[in-house]
Amino acid sequence: QSALTQPASVSGSPGQSITISCTGTNSDVGTYNLVSWYQQHPGKAPKVMIYEGSKRPSGVSNRFSGSKSGNTASLTISGLQAEDEADYYCCSYAGGVTWVFGGGTKLTVL
Amino acid sequence: QVQLQESGPGLVEPSQTLSLTCTVSGGSLSSGSYYWSWIRQPAGRGLEWIGRIYTSGNTNYNPSLKSRVAMSVDTSKNQFSLKMTSVTAADTAVYYCARHHPTTGFDPWGQGSLVTVSS
Repeated sequence: QSALTQPASVSGSPGQSITISCTGTNSDVGTYNLVSWYQQHPGKAPKVMIYEGSKRPSGVSNRFSGSKSGNTASLTISGLQAEDEADYYCCSYAGGVTWVFGGGTKLTVL
Repeated sequence: QVQLQESGPGLVEPSQTLSLTCTVSGGSLSSGSYYWSWIRQPAGRGLEWIGRIYTSGNTNYNPSLKSRVAMSVDTSKNQFSLKMTSVTAADTAVYYCARHHPTTGFDPWGQGSLVTVSS
């Protein structure tokens, strides 16, 4: 069970769109539609932004969207805002009743 | 709404046992089809799923930690707990408890509890 692969950092200017990738294998992301995404501000607990690959919890802005293609899941944030600057983590069911997180991506809003 | 709060010693000596408790408020541990999980995060690093427990006592653990981890639940106190044996400096991390549903993810989370392994 290896961590999912995310880029260490991404950046964008206010109003732009960015996409964070999360690459797994056909033992996790590629097989199960159980990918979730978490936003974590410094010193705070993570907050779920996307679940089941593309669904948004109540209260999460529709600027956040999720998708999947093959073994790679993606989180897109459109209309980037300063408050979106945070770390983002993906998570997937990995079979055998286990869950695996990505290494995390630091989003910088320029 | 449901809230979670971790508690336990902030300092554990190497080779000893780490013990943490998560208290659930605003709702019952036994309501809904939820699991109750532990997740940790070393300073400046990513998240690692430790394991989960159901109110029946059924558990699932991260294979890499399974030999050292045990979870338990006390529905009368609305609490669940984590024990990790033979700790080393590598176990130093912020430990979070979280409610988990396989489809809706980990939500909500506790504020986190820093555990440092040092003599």
